[in-house]
Amino acid sequence: SQKIEQNSEALNIQEGKTATLTCNYTNYSPAYLQWYRQDPGRGPVFLLLIRENEKEKRKERLKVTFDTTLKQSLFHITASQPADSATYLCARGYQKVTFGTGTKLQVIP
Amino acid sequence: EAGVAQSPRYKIIEKRQSVAFWCNPISGHATLYWYQQILGQGPKLLIQFQNNGVVDDSQLPKDRFSAERLKGVDSTLKIQPAKLEDSAVYLCASSLDLMGSRDEQYFGPGTRLTVT
Repeated sequence: SQKIEQNSEALNIQEGKTATLTCNYTNYSPAYLQWYRQDPGRGPVFLLLIRENEKEKRKERLKVTFDTTLKQSLFHITASQPADSATYLCARGYQKVTFGTGTKLQVIP
Repeated sequence: EAGVAQSPRYKIIEKRQSVAFWCNPISGHATLYWYQQILGQGPKLLIQFQNNGVVDDSQLPKDRFSAERLKGVDSTLKIQPAKLEDSAVYLCASSLDLMGSRDEQYFGPGTRLTVT
């Protein structure tokens, strides 16, 4: 089966620092990897999608990388703010999406 | 633009009872998804509709779960009878996907089901 794993259940980081979240996948490389944000009591919100042939994608303070050799995607939030505190989900695929368990990020003022 | 609507937001039932959830996707969105999210886990796809046809229901426990999409718009997900392990948040999502394009999914707020 095609698994997607997010290493950390929780990550605490000081405001202003760069938060880095890790997502690993098994078996063949997915054509797409996606990152979502989920706040308590709400559905996930799409943030970024990166294709297999793209090394890096940026959107404002967010950056995603895709390393097919390591079978890994990294999600970075630069200049983190308390408002960035949420659970971040990694997902493989685009139409048929398999989600990881998520990493809960807490940005400490 | 209105988002994906779901009701009810919360439901508590006893095991072996039945329950139904309703979803109204974003207007014009062709694809509709139902996900199950157990506490501490990521969402798991239960069923995917393209207009009013089923694209994927491989992870839907068909002995107790059923879903339909009326006229390619609203959708209902039913559980009958419910088990304790069905306690979860049920998320509905939709995506535009016109003319074979693939678009991002927009999620509703979910329905939190507790089975006692």
